[in-house]
Amino acid sequence: DGGITQSPKYLFRKEGQNVTLSCEQNLNHDAMYWYRQDPGQGLRLIYYSQIVNDFQKGDIAEGYSVSREKKESFPLTVTSAQKNPTAFYLCASSIRGLASFSYNEQFFGPGTRLTVL
Amino acid sequence: AQTVTQSQPEMSVQEAETVTLSCTYDTSENNYYLFWYKQPPSRQMILVIRQEAYKQQNATENRFSVNFQKAAKSFSLKISDSQLGDTAMYFCAFMKLNAGGTSYGKLTFGQGTILTVHP
Repeated sequence: DGGITQSPKYLFRKEGQNVTLSCEQNLNHDAMYWYRQDPGQGLRLIYYSQIVNDFQKGDIAEGYSVSREKKESFPLTVTSAQKNPTAFYLCASSIRGLASFSYNEQFFGPGTRLTVL
Repeated sequence: AQTVTQSQPEMSVQEAETVTLSCTYDTSENNYYLFWYKQPPSRQMILVIRQEAYKQQNATENRFSVNFQKAAKSFSLKISDSQLGDTAMYFCAFMKLNAGGTSYGKLTFGQGTILTVHP
């Protein structure tokens, strides 16, 4: 079955530690995205990548880092510099939007709930 | 920068009735897409419906339809014949198109509206 997997589903971290969230897709999508979801604030874009070895900051990139070494994978590292990392993290992917006025639906993974202890 | 506002934190409706969720947005762009996403208790995000800003005709998908008012920057979702499975959080979202009409796929979301359908 094609889809997006995120692991683990629940993650606990001690304050001051870095932690990496996994996102893998087998949809052959070029573009991948990371969103953060907090209560009452909807989803906010952290980082996105349109092609391998290239990525851009989203609206709330401070305290996070990413890599895109493979088309299928887009891991997100939450560093100790992120002041309030407890949140629900969603990964998404889509076909790269190159055609004019085309829409390429974003498919979302099941999410990872990160809790800082 | 774009902003999306959903002014109804919570809504409820009886099964089989109709409910409308509100969304307003602020942008200086002329070309964009608008979306409604559904997030059930499983937290899986599901696309419900989308609207292209250059189309005047309101989008419909089975029981779901939108009222797109471009001048007023309003984008409401109407759910007809509500079902128990419609219980979820609903997010309105905006995607800007670049000058050539392409998109980097960046979505800007509203705060969400929790919809509860009662039997």
